[in-house]
Formats: sequence, C-alpha cells, structure tokens
Amino acid sequence: RKEVEQDPGPFNVPEGATVAFNCTYSNSASQSFFWYRQDCRKEPKLLMSVYSSGNEDGRFTAQLNRASQYISLLIRDSKLSDSATYLCVVNGDSSYKLIFGSGTRLLVRP
Amino acid sequence: DAGVIQSPRHEVTEMGQEVTLRCKPISGHDYLFWYRQTMMRGLELLIYFNNNVPIDDSGMPEDRFSAKMPNASFSTLKIQPSEPRDSAVYFCASGTGGLKQPQHFGDGTRLSIL
Repeated sequence: RKEVEQDPGPFNVPEGATVAFNCTYSNSASQSFFWYRQDCRKEPKLLMSVYSSGNEDGRFTAQLNRASQYISLLIRDSKLSDSATYLCVVNGDSSYKLIFGSGTRLLVRP
Repeated sequence: DAGVIQSPRHEVTEMGQEVTLRCKPISGHDYLFWYRQTMMRGLELLIYFNNNVPIDDSGMPEDRFSAKMPNASFSTLKIQPSEPRDSAVYFCASGTGGLKQPQHFGDGTRLSIL
C-alpha cells in the first residue's frame, strides 16, 4: 500500500463548479498535512496546510479526518486558473520528511 | 525575497558522464531537501540535510548518487556515472523545520541522459 494515495483523475469540471479531492495516508502517527499545487512543468507550491479542525482559505477548504486517515480539499467556484495537479502531502517517519501523493489532476473548462 | 535557486535549469548529457546539480536554499532555512520527480514514480525524496549535515539518505537510489552541503547556502547533487534511467526533474527544497512548516521548492533541473 502506498503511504499517500490519491485518485489521479483527471477531474474535468466547468468553471464555477465545486470539486472535491480526497487523499488517504497510511501512517497513523503523521502530524503534518499539506496540499500543494503543481502546474505543468513547474515546481510544487504550497496551497495550504491542513489543520485538525479544518481550515478555509478563500475558495479552498481543507479537512482532516484522523480516525479514517484521510484528507480532503474542496474547491468552490472553480476558475480556469485552478487547472493544475493537486498533491496531498503528509509527513513520514520524521517530521521533516514529507511524503507526496502522486497527485490529482484538475481541468477546469470554460 | 529570493526563493530556492537551482542550476542548471536543463541538462542534456550522454550516458556515463558526470552530472552535477546545484542548489542555493532560502537564506535562514536550516533544512534542505533533494527530490526527484518522474511520471512513473512521482515525487521522491532522495536526501535531506539539517544544518548542513545529511540526516536521511535512504532515498538515494544507488552509489552513483551523492550529495553534499559544504555550507548553509549551497548544496550539490552529483550523479556519476549517469544512466538514461536517471532522466527526471530534480527539485531542491528548503524549509525552517518545525512540525507544521512547509517546504519551498526551486524551479527544478530537467535532466535528460541520452
């Protein structure tokens, strides 16, 4: 089993749609959770950290369910510019060792 | 503020040649990470340093790969001899450590071994 698993997609949605991604992780001791965004042929960039109580940043909402070991990302009112690959990231054995999921690709169409 | 700086941006070389990738982390960051990204395997951590000391190199694929960090502002990843299967995008990232701190990535080096 992979340490971090994501649906690769692609998710193809119209502008204005709401889309949700889920991610599961295997290490129950993990304490750091992030969503990164990666555009084609670019470097990964931090989208948002994920906190235990859930958190929101504009159109983006992240949730953490420790009992089920999954993380979610909700994007509301999606924009063309949201088209990218979204990477679920969890710390591994060491707090500083991040494990990246393989990413979920999102395509937002006009 | 300057981000993580990597060089070269692109490298094309023949099998058997030595390849050296360079990274300058963000000033003040005490953690430096080297990753490799391929379509098949995604983003993999190769090695990371804390205060210039290698902490975990379990991701380094084999002895042909080596990494150094002679000072807080510079690190190299070397492949010798290079093989076609080493073709990938290599990212360097830096961070301040701490449980909730994210990592900041450089633009990457796109490496092609012919």
